[in-house]
Amino acid sequence: DAGVTQSPTHLIKTRGQHVTLRCSPISGHKSVSWYQQVLGQGPQFIFQYYEKEERGRGNFPDRFSARQFPNYSSELNVNALLLGDSALYLCASSGITGVTEAFFGQGTRLTVV
Amino acid sequence: AQTVTQSQPEMSVQEAETVTLSCTYDTSESDYYLFWYKQPPSRQMILVIRQEAYKQQNATENRFSVNFQKAAKSFSLKISDSQLGDAAMYFCARETSGSRLTFGEGTQLTVNP
Repeated sequence: DAGVTQSPTHLIKTRGQHVTLRCSPISGHKSVSWYQQVLGQGPQFIFQYYEKEERGRGNFPDRFSARQFPNYSSELNVNALLLGDSALYLCASSGITGVTEAFFGQGTRLTVV
Repeated sequence: AQTVTQSQPEMSVQEAETVTLSCTYDTSESDYYLFWYKQPPSRQMILVIRQEAYKQQNATENRFSVNFQKAAKSFSLKISDSQLGDAAMYFCARETSGSRLTFGEGTQLTVNP
């Protein structure tokens, strides 16, 4: 079985641009969460979606948005990119709303220049 | 804010020896999950071990075990018979609000041959 897949693996964007990151959960999993991991720090929670509804939001500005599709895949969108948005963006999927069975993808490395 | 603290930014151990990584956390909840994740250079977060707070027995997964002290809000990870493949960044995390993980800052573990 395929694990959590994220695309792209690496991305370079210019300040002010928009970016879309994608995540496909493990087959059968209905919950997707997004985390931002700045270099040298632990991941920070951004969003959780379950059954296409937002179930949790972290302390991030409105430039960050996400959605979940009927096939449970998800997109994370970031508008008006800042240099500080440079980070590893991790997606985690789980079969239930909680995080007791969260499995992570390999992440998307976003560099804003 | 509910926080997770890892006081050891770096640790090293000789191959085949035992090492303990420390973690303390803050919570107002009575039941919750605690986790240790491993993040090798490949970037993917890998679940090492999980502990449910209401269970008094410490979790064990092969060479990995925890020392869970609920009253002290302490959750340390012991790695026995350390192997070169154990070298990675280790993150302690706790479930927050049933839908998200709050991570510590991580401990970089080096295994010396």
